[in-house]
Amino acid sequence: DVKVTQSSRYLVKRTGEKVFLECVQDMDHENMFWYRQDPGLGLRLIYFSYDVKMKEKGDIPEGYSVSREKKERFSLILESASTNQTSMYLCASSFSGTSSYNEQFFGPGTRLTVL
Amino acid sequence: LAKTTQPISMDSYEGQEVNITCSHNNIATNDYITWYQQFPSQGPRFIIQGYKTKVTNEVASLFIPADRKSSTLSLPRVSLSDTAVYYCLVGDASGGSYIPTFGRGTSLIVHP
Repeated sequence: DVKVTQSSRYLVKRTGEKVFLECVQDMDHENMFWYRQDPGLGLRLIYFSYDVKMKEKGDIPEGYSVSREKKERFSLILESASTNQTSMYLCASSFSGTSSYNEQFFGPGTRLTVL
Repeated sequence: LAKTTQPISMDSYEGQEVNITCSHNNIATNDYITWYQQFPSQGPRFIIQGYKTKVTNEVASLFIPADRKSSTLSLPRVSLSDTAVYYCLVGDASGGSYIPTFGRGTSLIVHP
């Protein structure tokens, strides 16, 4: 079974802190994605990566950065956390290709609260 | 940016058929349409995928008209365990690069 794990299920940080959210997949997938999920807004794509050291902006990249140094790991970084970044963060991975043909496998999510 | 539009919520009763429609006017020529299901406190999981016409698996059917500007997820004889949020996903290549775009999701509640 494909497994996508996220470093924390719940996280509480203070405004201005630098926050790292880690995601690891064990299926040798080329593609990895970071989404945030808010009530009434569904899933919105923050960043995605099609290969190691490669990244592309999604719909809402402002205030975030990412790092992909190894194929299995994709990190989301909040350089200076703000209260409007309080949300559920979901990581996903899939095999290569630029079509939505490739099924995305999701992690359980990290609920981040910024005080 | 392309948009996908779905009803916000739907109610049904056990044993009924449920149809959820997603509009995606700017779908890319080579793109597939994928539907996901999400239970509370879990990540979404794949249900079904199609390119055109009709696709059926053990869980659902997917109907896609010839113009591909919409798709309909059909859940036959729903049960209480089908209560979840359902998302459709298409790619958005209108800006020159591929961006997977989920809809806002449809919250389905199945009543006894």
